Amino acid sequence: KAGVTQTPRYLIKTRGQQVTLSCSPISGHRSVSWYQQTPGQGLQFLFEYFSETQRNKGNFPGRFSGRQFSNSRSEMNVSTLELGDSALYLCASVKTGGGYEQYFGPGTRLTVT
Amino acid sequence: DQQVKQNSPSLSVQEGRISILNCDYTNSMFDYFLWYKKYPAEGPTFLISISSIKDKNEDGRFTVFLNKSAKHLSLHIVPSQPGDSAVYFCAAINSGYSTLTFGKGTMLLVSP
Repeated sequence: KAGVTQTPRYLIKTRGQQVTLSCSPISGHRSVSWYQQTPGQGLQFLFEYFSETQRNKGNFPGRFSGRQFSNSRSEMNVSTLELGDSALYLCASVKTGGGYEQYFGPGTRLTVT
Repeated sequence: DQQVKQNSPSLSVQEGRISILNCDYTNSMFDYFLWYKKYPAEGPTFLISISSIKDKNEDGRFTVFLNKSAKHLSLHIVPSQPGDSAVYFCAAINSGYSTLTFGKGTMLLVSP
């Protein structure tokens, strides 16, 4: 079974631009969560989608948004990029009715210059 | 307010010895705990978990212990191997919700 895939793997953007990251969960998984990882901060929860609805949201500004499609694929968007948005963005999917383990993709490394 | 704390940023252990990684939490509503391992340039990989109704869970070389009264859990790796060198994240969840709260991680280095 294919794992969680994220595209692109690496991205370089300029301050003020916007970016869209994509995540395809494991087949059959309907819940997708997004996390931001920065040095010294661990993984910080951004938001979670289930059946195309945002179910939970972390403490991030409104510049961070996301959505989920009917095939469970998810995108997150960051508008008006700031230098502090440079991070590894991780997507995770959860097996429906299968416990609390989240399965992570390899992440997208975003660098804002 | 950090609800899941891993107070040791790093740990060095010799191959064959025991590695003990610690994690503390403050939210008494957490009732399920997980450990993840992360190599550079990869996403975290689920390692082992424990429910709050248990105090120990074992899977091969990995054992997680939970002390609910102290709000403390630990991951024991015995024997440690060089391939175990990675960042280990502790995570917790309130089963009424679906959001994991992570600690900041502990970098484990196992030397031959």
